[in-house]
Amino acid sequence: NAGVTQTPKFRVLKTGQSMTLLCAQDMNHEYMYWYRQDPGMGLRLIHYSVGEGTTAKGEVPDGYNVSRLKKQNFLLGLESAAPSQTSVYFCASSLSGRSTDTQYFGPGTRLTVL
Amino acid sequence: KQEVTQIPAALSVPEGENLVLNCSFTDSAIYNLQWFRQDPGKGLTSLLLIQSSQREQTSGRLNASLDKSSGRSTLYIAASQPGDSATYLCAVSGNQFYFGTGTSLTVIP
Repeated sequence: NAGVTQTPKFRVLKTGQSMTLLCAQDMNHEYMYWYRQDPGMGLRLIHYSVGEGTTAKGEVPDGYNVSRLKKQNFLLGLESAAPSQTSVYFCASSLSGRSTDTQYFGPGTRLTVL
Repeated sequence: KQEVTQIPAALSVPEGENLVLNCSFTDSAIYNLQWFRQDPGKGLTSLLLIQSSQREQTSGRLNASLDKSSGRSTLYIAASQPGDSATYLCAVSGNQFYFGTGTSLTVIP
């Protein structure tokens, strides 16, 4: 089991460029999440999905879009990158949303927007 | 909106010492509370999960407690080791997940 993987690991963009971050999990988990981590602010939920074909907004969704076309993949898109989106992005998954379920995290993607 | 606070932000202790990390939250309507470990440049690893109906969970040298009514949780690490050096984050699960900013722990050999 690879667990949760993220592609790419690092990326530098210019303001206005677009990109897609890919998250993949091989644990047959229903729920998947995208977070961003910024110094002094902790992790904040961007979007999440409770199953294939579903997505929902988290705490900081503006400027991002997501898609869950396949159960094992969760894509995070930036249509027009801004310097404020410079951050470390983490994907996570969990079996379901039950109170007993642990979240499993990927290694992160470090994004810099110039 | 749920606010999660962790104190202290950084902690440095000699090897072998017992220590306590603190987490507080403002809204007691939670499903569970989790403690995570994050090593530099890495993702998060779950250490302990306490359901809202539970008071504590133990795993090896780690013990986490939850007092939902007062909005507090503690992570107790016994006999600390240099390998315990990392950032420890707590997260509460309600309608969404909310994370604290973490405590950076350094265990000095």
